[in-house]
Amino acid sequence: DVEVLESGGGMVQPGGSLRLSCTASGFIFSSYAMSWVRQAPGKGLEWVSGISGSGDGPYDADSVKGRFTISRDNSKNTLYLQMNSLRAEDTAVYYCAKDRGIASSPYYFDYWGQGTLVTVSS
Amino acid sequence: QSVLTQPPSVSAAPGQKVTISCSGSSSNIGNHYVSWYQQLPGTAPKLLIYDNNQRPSGIPDRFSGSKSGTSATLGITGLQTGDEADYYCATWDSSLSAYVFGTGTKVTVL
Repeated sequence: DVEVLESGGGMVQPGGSLRLSCTASGFIFSSYAMSWVRQAPGKGLEWVSGISGSGDGPYDADSVKGRFTISRDNSKNTLYLQMNSLRAEDTAVYYCAKDRGIASSPYYFDYWGQGTLVTVSS
Repeated sequence: QSVLTQPPSVSAAPGQKVTISCSGSSSNIGNHYVSWYQQLPGTAPKLLIYDNNQRPSGIPDRFSGSKSGTSATLGITGLQTGDEADYYCATWDSSLSAYVFGTGTKVTVL
């Protein structure tokens, strides 16, 4: 069965950094693009970043460009999100999502993790 | 503020039908496939419809999708209490170079 599991969430002060991880199993990890999607408390879904199966040409939302970096280690079946210069408005549940396609521009997400909560507060 | 607009809420009695609209533009819905996601309370989103009108295995045919021009629609027939959830449309936006979600619609079963 396909499974994606996020970790690394927690509380951090404004301006701080955090790295999220997403471990995948049940499919050939390198054959599929992956994305991070977040949801602020009581709000809708917001796509954050996407990366191709090979790790090329990541795309980022304007709201995180220059602060967040998506990457992947296909030898470890793991997706990462390095978050720097965190702001209060980055507070959200962050979901790891498996893309049906391989390109870095998302197609659609057929499997989602349960999410990890990131809280940015002093 | 999303580029894909959905009604905040829709409601109907059990067994009835609801439709959820998703309005966009030529840079998103007009030229890209639309997908729909269901988010039950307190859970992660789940894929409901892809490629405008295709259902993944395990999704009942009570759920249907369609697209016309720059708008898409999700239909739910035979409404059940278990269908109470938030529903989101989504697609790629080539002008923004970003994947965009709709504003979300809460379905209530009366």
